[in-house]
Amino acid sequence: SQTIHQWPATLVQPVGSPLSLECTVEGTSNPNLYWYRQAAGRGLQLLFYSIGIGQISSEVPQNLSASRPQDRQFILSSKKLLLSDSGFYLCAWSDRGNLGTEAFFGQGTRLTVV
Amino acid sequence: AQTVTQSQPEMSVQEAETVTLSCTYDTSESDYYLFWYKQPPSRQMILVIRQEAYKQQNATENRFSVNFQKAAKSFSLKISDSQLGDAAMYFCAYRSASGNTPLVFGKGTRLSVIA
Repeated sequence: SQTIHQWPATLVQPVGSPLSLECTVEGTSNPNLYWYRQAAGRGLQLLFYSIGIGQISSEVPQNLSASRPQDRQFILSSKKLLLSDSGFYLCAWSDRGNLGTEAFFGQGTRLTVV
Repeated sequence: AQTVTQSQPEMSVQEAETVTLSCTYDTSESDYYLFWYKQPPSRQMILVIRQEAYKQQNATENRFSVNFQKAAKSFSLKISDSQLGDAAMYFCAYRSASGNTPLVFGKGTRLSVIA
């Protein structure tokens, strides 16, 4: 069966520090991968999505970047965090070959920038 | 670009009663998929129900059912016999059937269940 791992679960970082959140998927090949952010009391905002290695689409201009160095690995990064980067970050995957299937989500990372 | 609107930020329901959560979407496409996700306090996103736009029959999953009105671009979720465990954030989502596009989510509705 397929599983998605996302870490760390919780992170407190000072303003101006770098960020690296990692997400890996097991049990499937060529998945679509996504990073979403959920601000307090708000909906899910799509940050990045990828349909293949090295193919990243950015939805929102911001202080963050994403990379996909391997087929089932998706990394969210920042060189210098801002207070506004605080939030709950969710990684997700979906089956590229079946558009009707849902997206499967990781457990999320709660990021607090202080 | 497609948009999804959930006009009810918060809803409440008495235990064992029925509640309906609203969702509308904007698209020019004729083929797409719609989803309802539940996010309990653990914040794990859980799929509740899925609807394929080319199917006229409304999807049902046990106590959860949808009212899909394609012409009105409406996709409401009905929860029957509400239980305390149904308390959560509920998100409506849209996905195009053309190309590998991501799910677009609404802002969510927070559902409280009153004992």
